[in-house]
Amino acid sequence: QKEVEQNSGPLSVPEGAIASLNCTYSDRGSQSFFWYRQYSGKSPELIMFIYSNGDKEDGRFTAQLNKASQYVSLLIRDSQPSDSATYLCAPRGSQGNLIFGKGTKLSVKP
Amino acid sequence: ETGVTQTPRHLVMGMTNKKSLKCEQHLGHNAMYWYKQSAKKPLELMFVYSLEERVENNSVPSRFSPECPNSSHLFLHLHTLQPEDSALYLCASSPGRESHEQYFGPGTRLTVT
Repeated sequence: QKEVEQNSGPLSVPEGAIASLNCTYSDRGSQSFFWYRQYSGKSPELIMFIYSNGDKEDGRFTAQLNKASQYVSLLIRDSQPSDSATYLCAPRGSQGNLIFGKGTKLSVKP
Repeated sequence: ETGVTQTPRHLVMGMTNKKSLKCEQHLGHNAMYWYKQSAKKPLELMFVYSLEERVENNSVPSRFSPECPNSSHLFLHLHTLQPEDSALYLCASSPGRESHEQYFGPGTRLTVT
């Protein structure tokens, strides 16, 4: 059984702080990794993907990948209340499908 | 209409009913997916269609029956469901099977009584 582990949270950070969301995965065959954001009552939307070890930056978001440790993270700089949502980590498994974690609920307090 | 649409948005059905969920994508994509999202559980992939062919069935009970008449439409036919099937059912599409991004529809909130 391929698994993706995320802390369920809620992770609470003050406005303007850095939010750090972590994810570990069990499928060593995973080569690409996706972060989705899901607002309450809404469907998931893709915010970042990463394929190579290291960091990938896109605006206030930075994805970090360490395949040896089977670890991927998402950093959100200058967090805003509008970032409050559940963040889903989704490696693409060796069979080709996305395998979703349960998600981490982030709350950014004004 | 743009993106991925789903109807109905909410559905309440008894265990003996038969109903269908509809998904339509206006993006010209070739792959479509059905996911189930239950409280406290990760998104579960149910079915994958690529170029109208079912390429994956993730051990889904036969009371769920998908249909993909063309690359823009996907249905999920429901019959004799159980209360534990109550969940949010999400449809998604992507340009191809291995594409980076899957675009999700708004979902159908299903309650089985």
